[in-house]
Amino acid sequence: GESVGLHLPTLSVQEGDNSIINCAYSNSASDYFIWYKQESGKGPQFIIDIRSNMDKRQGQRVTVLLNKTVKHLSLQIAATQPGDSAVYFCAETRAPGKLIFGQGTTLQVKP
Amino acid sequence: DADVTQTPRNRITKTGKRIMLECSQTKGHDRMYWYRQDPGLGLRLIYYSFDVKDINKGEISDGYSVSRQAQAKFSLSLESAIPNQTALYFCATSGSQGNYGYTFGSGTRLTVV
Repeated sequence: GESVGLHLPTLSVQEGDNSIINCAYSNSASDYFIWYKQESGKGPQFIIDIRSNMDKRQGQRVTVLLNKTVKHLSLQIAATQPGDSAVYFCAETRAPGKLIFGQGTTLQVKP
Repeated sequence: DADVTQTPRNRITKTGKRIMLECSQTKGHDRMYWYRQDPGLGLRLIYYSFDVKDINKGEISDGYSVSRQAQAKFSLSLESAIPNQTALYFCATSGSQGNYGYTFGSGTRLTVV
């Protein structure tokens, strides 16, 4: 079967440190990956995406890395801030309308 | 204004009652979705619609129905609510080409007592 999963349900980091959130996927046919952030009481918000023809993509303080060999996706957040505290979901798809979500990792930022 | 608007934001209803959750969007997207979120279970797809005349069941459609009244409106109904339908419900939209990512609404917290 296919699945998208995150390695850890909760990640706790010190403010100012870098955070790395991991995600494993099982379907090698997936060609598009997205990271979402969900703050308490809000809907998931798009953070960054990457297509399968790329290994790395950078945004503002965030970087997504894709390792197709081991079907692994990671989200790196630089200089983690209290406002980064949220649940982070990875999602993968092979076609529009076929987004499959992982279960989420809770990021806790300690002051 | 939000791109994807859900109403109501919170609702408490009694077992056996019919309830409708509404979603409207200003994104101009063709595709709309209803998801349910429960603690520890992530986002699960209830129904999705790729255009006004297209309705498809997702992985957990039992006990739910939908209506796509217009390109911009997609409503979810619980014909006879039961307590295990207590959850957070999200509407989402996406385009049909290019970026496959979804835009989510802020959610409806539904409690069935």
